[in-house]
Amino acid sequence: GESVGLHLPTLSVQEGDNSIINCAYSNSASDYFIWYKQESGKGPQFIIDIRSNMDKRQGQRVTVLLNKTVKHLSLQIAATQPGDSAVYFCAETPNTGNQFYFGTGTSLTVIP
Amino acid sequence: GAVVSQHPSWVICKSGTSVKIECRSLDFQATTMFWYRQFPKQSLMLMATSNEGSKATYEQGVEKDKFLINHASLTLSTLTVTSAHPEDSSFYICSAREWGWGGNQPQHFGDGTRLSIL
Repeated sequence: GESVGLHLPTLSVQEGDNSIINCAYSNSASDYFIWYKQESGKGPQFIIDIRSNMDKRQGQRVTVLLNKTVKHLSLQIAATQPGDSAVYFCAETPNTGNQFYFGTGTSLTVIP
Repeated sequence: GAVVSQHPSWVICKSGTSVKIECRSLDFQATTMFWYRQFPKQSLMLMATSNEGSKATYEQGVEKDKFLINHASLTLSTLTVTSAHPEDSSFYICSAREWGWGGNQPQHFGDGTRLSIL
């Protein structure tokens, strides 16, 4: 299968600080990437996506950066809130298929 | 929009029982649905891709006779865990992609089914 991994399994941040979650992928043919948030006992929730023809995309309080040269993806969360505490997964799909492959996940804990 | 409903949310049953899990796209049509398995504190592992009107495509190492998938309509896919054993206990999650859109679109996930085999 595909290899999508995260650099840090856990991350603790102070409420109000910015969070950065990183992800590495190995398939250079991947052309679509998504960040998901998963709270305990629930399914993953879509946060933001980016296509390979872009290197940055912004949403509400979130920004995704894509560096295709080093096959690296990051999720930045501005002014992190307690409700942001969850596990975050990156997922990627190659342009030849339907399937998404998920990274290991990073558990984000926001300290009030 | 783009709501995926999964049922049941939690099942506890005896070893040897077969368990069916339903995945429905409530407000969109999905030609393709996906089934994942997730162990505690681990990532989602893709088990199979469910295609409406045709056979499912299973990932390497997933037993198709153990995990039966049926995708009879554009809004419903089912996963049946046949003759379940304790090692089949896990969190099973389905997802669906919208039909009719060109290019890549995100998958929308159900809230998962926690399967506990005694």
